[in-house]
Amino acid sequence: KAGVTQTPRYLIKTRGQQVTLSCSPISGHRSVSWYQQTPGQGLQFLFEYFSETQRNKGNFPGRFSGRQFSNSRSEMNVSTLELGDSALYLCASSLRNYEQYFGPGTRLTVT
Amino acid sequence: GIQVEQSPPDLILQEGANSTLRCNFSDSVNNLQWFHQNPWGQLINLFYIPSGTKQNGRLSATTVATERYSLLYISSSQTTDSGVYFCAVEGDNAGNMLTFGGGTRLMVKP
Repeated sequence: KAGVTQTPRYLIKTRGQQVTLSCSPISGHRSVSWYQQTPGQGLQFLFEYFSETQRNKGNFPGRFSGRQFSNSRSEMNVSTLELGDSALYLCASSLRNYEQYFGPGTRLTVT
Repeated sequence: GIQVEQSPPDLILQEGANSTLRCNFSDSVNNLQWFHQNPWGQLINLFYIPSGTKQNGRLSATTVATERYSLLYISSSQTTDSGVYFCAVEGDNAGNMLTFGGGTRLMVKP
C-alpha cells in the first residue's frame, strides 16, 4: 500500500506571497492532519480534516487554512507569507482516531 | 493542554550499547506513538503504544498509562539508529491531534 505523499517536496517563496501544499493520504484513510516543524517551536499541530470537515484546529493565525476533497486528498494554504513561516510542513493520515502515518514533508523557505 | 517531556534531550552512544529514552505526559491519553525522524525529515513510525509493552527487533517500548510515562529501549545500537526520536500523544477529547515532545537526539558512534 502506498504511503502518504506530499507535493512539492521543496519550495522557496518570497515574503508576502501565498503558497499551497498538497497531501495525498494512504488509501482508505479519511483523516488528514497537518503539522509545522521549526527549530524553535518543534512540531506543532495545525489542523485536522475528516470527511471534508475540519474537526480540530491548532493555535495558528488565520493566514493558515486548509481543505479536504471528497477523495480525502488535502491542501493547506498559507497567505501573506512571513519569514517565520519557513518550516517543514508534515501531513499525516489515519483511520479515525488510530495510528497516524506521516508523509515526507514539504520544506518551505520564505525569503 | 497536555504537556509532553522527553529525556534526555541528547544522547551519545558507542555502537553496540543499549539505551532508554523516556517520555512523560501530564494527562491521560488515548494514543501514544514513538517516531524516528530521519535526516530528510520524515517521521518513521516505531510504535503505537497507548498502554502495555511491544517489541520490534532491537527496539521495544513500554507505556504505563496510569503513571503517565512511556519508555523506548534500543538494544545493541547501530549507527543507523542515529537521529531524533519523538514521542507524541493524543489526549482525551483531543480529536486526533498529536502533541509532540521535544525529542531525543541520538548519535551512535562507530
